[in-house]
Amino acid sequence: QKEVEQNSGPLSVPEGAIASLNCTYSDRGSQSFFWYRQYSGKSPELIMSIYSNGDKEDGRFTAQLNKASQYVSLLIRDSQPSDSATYLCAVNRVNAGKSTFGDGTTLTVKP
Amino acid sequence: EADIYQTPRYLVIGTGKKITLECSQTMGHDKMYWYQQDPGMELHLIHYSYGVNSTEKGDLSSESTVSRIRTEHFPLTLESARPSHTSQYLCASSEWGQGRNEKLFFGSGTQLSVL
Repeated sequence: QKEVEQNSGPLSVPEGAIASLNCTYSDRGSQSFFWYRQYSGKSPELIMSIYSNGDKEDGRFTAQLNKASQYVSLLIRDSQPSDSATYLCAVNRVNAGKSTFGDGTTLTVKP
Repeated sequence: EADIYQTPRYLVIGTGKKITLECSQTMGHDKMYWYQQDPGMELHLIHYSYGVNSTEKGDLSSESTVSRIRTEHFPLTLESARPSHTSQYLCASSEWGQGRNEKLFFGSGTQLSVL
């Protein structure tokens, strides 16, 4: 079992819909959770971080964390074609020294 | 905007050559990382550093080496490049803190092709 697993893609949604990206992790000691977006041929860029159970909203993006279920998700409301990218989930233990990344989920938003 | 720079952006070399991929950041971050990523594939951590004179091997076995003589500089060296080293190499940095500060800032990457 991988330490960080993301829902297999690719995921395709119509423009204006809600895209839901999911991530589960195996290490119960994990305390920091990040979502990165990577456009094709580009480097990953951080879009959301979450540390406490519940929801965290930033514009059209909402990160959700449930530590009991070892589950973190990213919702993208009013999806735009510019949201088409690969989304990477990353998980950290405090003082682990490094993030553990999932394989990524590729999202396509169709006009 | 992240201030982390990688050079060269693209590199095509022959087998057996020694190469150094450069990475510099101006954010004063203590931690730096090198990742390897093939197209459409996951990120693999190959080296990281907590600060000056600190280097650690990552999850993916690599024939490369790194050094950290200055905070801002974290070069990666391949003594003898092989076609199997063809990949994209991504450098990243983060603050050193209690996990919450470990947001990664990535450079633009070096696409290496070994013929």
